[in-house]
Amino acid sequence: SYDLTQPPSVSVSPGQTASITCSGDKLGDKFASWYQQRPGQSPLLLIYQDTNRPSGIPERFSGSNSGDTATLTISGTQTLDEADYYCQAWDSSTVVFGGGTKLIVL
Amino acid sequence: EVRLVESGGVVVQPGGSLRLSCAASGFTFENFAMYWVRQAPGKGLEWVSLIGWDARTTYYASSLRGRFTLSRDNSKDSLYLQMDSLRPEDTALYFCAKAQREGFNLDALDVWGRGTMVTVSS
Repeated sequence: SYDLTQPPSVSVSPGQTASITCSGDKLGDKFASWYQQRPGQSPLLLIYQDTNRPSGIPERFSGSNSGDTATLTISGTQTLDEADYYCQAWDSSTVVFGGGTKLIVL
Repeated sequence: EVRLVESGGVVVQPGGSLRLSCAASGFTFENFAMYWVRQAPGKGLEWVSLIGWDARTTYYASSLRGRFTLSRDNSKDSLYLQMDSLRPEDTALYFCAKAQREGFNLDALDVWGRGTMVTVSS
């Protein structure tokens, strides 16, 4: 089976840039998506097809994907960005989620 | 407004069966692939199943070992997940979600419901 690996947590100070990585074998050959899940809420699509933001998603969220690693970058991090973040990709008609990263803003 | 509303989650005994439903509104349901994703308490997201926009294609997580069956009724804008031989490890919040683009089965999940809780316990 295909696995996506994320760090369990990432810490960032308000106003700084946070980077959350997602690693998988030749992940760069696939499309990666990113989701934000605040406590008690449903996941929200942040990034699709590696780099694209759905309408309504702030520009401070950006994505990249190359080699074995996809990265979600949050510029000018705000306290409301504190949440769990999940990467997702497709492998052989199977949806694969990373284990999730808790972003701590302090 | 695009909306997905799940229902059917209850407490069920191990070995029991359950059918979850997802009612869709605000978009042309028959044109979009649909998915179920679950989340055990305090855990991450786990994909369960997807059904193609035309209902001809269904895929399941290998961990389910044939216990779940996904179907859709495009005339009722509804999605169903039949869950059999339930186990305690199936305890989770079950979300339904839609594909982002019409006609694409393998796509980002752009709208999610609020979920329905399934608890498998004696």
